[in-house]
Amino acid sequence: NAGVTQTPKFQVLKTGQSMTLQCAQDMNHNSMYWYRQDPGMGLRLIYYSASEGTTDKGEVPNGYNVSRLNKREFSLRLESAAPSQTSVYFCASRDMYNEQYFGPGTRLTVT
Amino acid sequence: DQQVKQNSPSLSVQEGRISILNCDYTNSMFDYFLWYKKYPAEGPTFLISISSIKDKNEDGRFTVFLNKSAKHLSLHIVPSQPGDSAVYFCAASAQGGTSYGKLTFGQGTILTVHP
Repeated sequence: NAGVTQTPKFQVLKTGQSMTLQCAQDMNHNSMYWYRQDPGMGLRLIYYSASEGTTDKGEVPNGYNVSRLNKREFSLRLESAAPSQTSVYFCASRDMYNEQYFGPGTRLTVT
Repeated sequence: DQQVKQNSPSLSVQEGRISILNCDYTNSMFDYFLWYKKYPAEGPTFLISISSIKDKNEDGRFTVFLNKSAKHLSLHIVPSQPGDSAVYFCAASAQGGTSYGKLTFGQGTILTVHP
């Protein structure tokens, strides 16, 4: 039982490049979330998916897109990376008791 | 507008003593509160939660207190252990309607427990 997995663990991009962060959960949870963590800011919600086939914006969605590929997988795409998107990205899924389980994170640097 | 605030960036305590981490919120719609613990290079892990219908919840060495009138909650760790050294995040959620379990996090408090 792996819980929530994320790939890659680290990534360096140049400004303007694109990439997709992958997330998968094996707990059969309906809801999944993408957060970013910046120093002094806590975790901020980028996008979420309440159930398979639905996605919605969170607090800081600009510059990102998401895809809920199936119940297990929820990906985050940066179409044209900017230095302001340098951050640590966490994916999470939520159980029936409203507790969220987080992946290990992806550390992204945009130069 | 920071709806959940942890005003102490860091806290240092001696092993065996009590650690008290504080959190304030402004949104009256929040009715479910959680504490997460985070070690370096790992994702946050759930620690303890409390619903707004309660004012206290205990789980072993961890107790969360909620004061709704003051919009304040605190996490007590007794006794503190060196392995408790981590970043602690307070989070809040409005459970009803279309909230879909979205969490609003505080900035985090770095706890260091000295042997």
